[in-house]
Amino acid sequence: QVQLVQSGAEVKKPGASVKVSCKTSGYTFTSYAMHWVRQAPGQRLEWMGWINVGNGYTKYAQKFQGRVTITRDTYTSTAYMEMSSLRPEDTAVYYCARSNMGDYWGQGTLVTVPS
Amino acid sequence: QSVLTQPPSASGAPGQRVTISCSGSSSNIGSNAVNWYQQLPGTAPKLLIYINNLRPSGVPDRFSGSKSGTSASLAISGLQSEDEADYYCAAWDDSPNAYNYVFGSGTKVTVL
Repeated sequence: QVQLVQSGAEVKKPGASVKVSCKTSGYTFTSYAMHWVRQAPGQRLEWMGWINVGNGYTKYAQKFQGRVTITRDTYTSTAYMEMSSLRPEDTAVYYCARSNMGDYWGQGTLVTVPS
Repeated sequence: QSVLTQPPSASGAPGQRVTISCSGSSSNIGSNAVNWYQQLPGTAPKLLIYINNLRPSGVPDRFSGSKSGTSASLAISGLQSEDEADYYCAAWDDSPNAYNYVFGSGTKVTVL
């Protein structure tokens, strides 16, 4: 069965960086895009960007351009999302989601940036 | 970043039908397919409807989607207690220099 398992919760200081992983299994990793979505407490879902896992092409939401980097490791079937220059307003649950429709999601990773 | 507009809440008694609207624009719903997600409390979103009106395997046929022009809607018929959740619509947005996947504001469904 398809599984996306994300890394554990993180607490980071303002200005620091965080890297969240999304380890996949149960399907051919390179056949599907991977998207990253975040949800601040009590807020709507917010799309951050995606990666074409097959060729490594990436596209980011304008809001995150220059601060977020999405990568993948085809040998371990793992996708990564790294965000730099963290601010308290980046406190959110970060999700990876497979394909352009988000047919499978990771369980989420809480990233906390205390003020 | 463009957003899609949904009513903040909707409710119904068990067995009733509830409809959730999603309003967008020509750059998103007007020119791209709409997906719907269900998010139960404390869990990750789950794909409920894709490409306007298709259901993934395992999603009950009580859930149905439709799209017309720059709006879409999700209907839940035969409402059940386990349907109590937040529901989000989403679509790609083709705005110049801002190609994004935009989500709706979310609708909390309460089963009375």
